[in-house]
Amino acid sequence: DAMVIQNPRYQVTQFGKPVTLSCSQTLNHNVMYWYQQKSSQAPKLLFHYYDKDFNNEADTPDNFQSRRPNTSFCFLDIRSPGLGDAAMYLCATSRSPQETQYFGPGTRLLVL
Amino acid sequence: DQQVKQNSPSLSVQEGRISILNCDYTNSMFDYFLWYKKYPAEGPTFLISISSIKDKNEDGRFTVFLNKSAKHLSLHIVPSQPGDSAVYFCAASSTNDYKLSFGAGTTVTVRA
Repeated sequence: DAMVIQNPRYQVTQFGKPVTLSCSQTLNHNVMYWYQQKSSQAPKLLFHYYDKDFNNEADTPDNFQSRRPNTSFCFLDIRSPGLGDAAMYLCATSRSPQETQYFGPGTRLLVL
Repeated sequence: DQQVKQNSPSLSVQEGRISILNCDYTNSMFDYFLWYKKYPAEGPTFLISISSIKDKNEDGRFTVFLNKSAKHLSLHIVPSQPGDSAVYFCAASSTNDYKLSFGAGTTVTVRA
């Protein structure tokens, strides 16, 4: 089945220790998104790639960066995680920005 | 600033009855609205959508109603089934940038 895969599903890191979350897709979609969702809050878009074009949301902290080495993979790098970065991180893909987004199961990040 | 609001965090309904989920938005540029459904340990999955040129869209047991003047949409599930127990997210976008703004979700519990 075509799908969006996120690894790991749970990630524990220490305060200030860099961490990378991974997303891969077998849908061959052009657009990949990263959302942050804190408890009982709405998912919040951090950034997205349209092919190789990176689009950062204005209020995304500089601490968060992303890489998309190829169509299938996209990474979320948190350079110096703080306690406030503990959240669920959702990856999504779509064929184009106008089309339906398909989500992965998310990675829950815990910062100690 | 939250542009999409789901003011009811939870809803409990008896099996066979109607579930009505509400969503309000503030951005008058929004012209496309979606509902996503999320089970525990899974990512949100697309359920149903509506364009602003319509006021109703139906798909099986699910119907979405849009009231543009009130900036309000609702999702009706009739009849509700135990498998409908999930978190439901309302989302909106505009043809300007197609980025999704999400509500915080409503947890639906269908009682047998």
